[in-house]
Amino acid sequence: GAVVSQHPSWVICKSGTSVKIECRSLDFQATTMFWYRQFPKQSLMLMATSNEGSKATYEQGVEKDKFLINHASLTLSTLTVTSAHPEDSSFYICSAGDRVDDEQYFGPGTRLTVT
Amino acid sequence: EDQVTQSPEALRLQEGESSSLNCSYTVSGLRGLFWYRQDPGKGPEFLFTLYSAGEEKEKERLKATLTKKESFLHITAPKPEDSATYLCAVQAGYSSASKIIFGSGTRLSIRP
Repeated sequence: GAVVSQHPSWVICKSGTSVKIECRSLDFQATTMFWYRQFPKQSLMLMATSNEGSKATYEQGVEKDKFLINHASLTLSTLTVTSAHPEDSSFYICSAGDRVDDEQYFGPGTRLTVT
Repeated sequence: EDQVTQSPEALRLQEGESSSLNCSYTVSGLRGLFWYRQDPGKGPEFLFTLYSAGEEKEKERLKATLTKKESFLHITAPKPEDSATYLCAVQAGYSSASKIIFGSGTRLSIRP
């Protein structure tokens, strides 16, 4: 099956700094990728939809200036958490839509801890 | 508004004790209903996709069914390794570019 990777798998940063998370589709092209956030013992909440070559679409309540999304190629989308604060500590998961079999595949997630 | 509700929130079973997890949904134009398994600290692992009412799919001890309003994940004679959070999600629209909405999940615990 199709594989989606995320890097890093976990990161610790200081409050006020920025962190970039990468999401890659390894063996397929994805015109659309999605970013989710998951707090402990809660389900995945969609943050934004990332479209290759265009601006991301953010869900209601998600600050687009804080969570910068760039989908520069058909295999890579990045999420940058700017001026991170402890409340941004969460598990961030991406998914990518495979144009060939028209299914979505999820990455393994990135654990962000802001101290 | 598209919505997914899962019940129960948590379920503890004895090894070998069969049961079912429920997923109720409201969506305009269902493209697919998905079941995922998630282990702590990991991303969701795909289990099943159901596309239309009446459809059933099986994998080992798991069987997923779909009606127009809900889906069930039946677990037959579960083992401790089946312990995980099971997530139900729906996708509206016509392609993989449509967003997926998740339910809150059912935390399943199987005692040896």
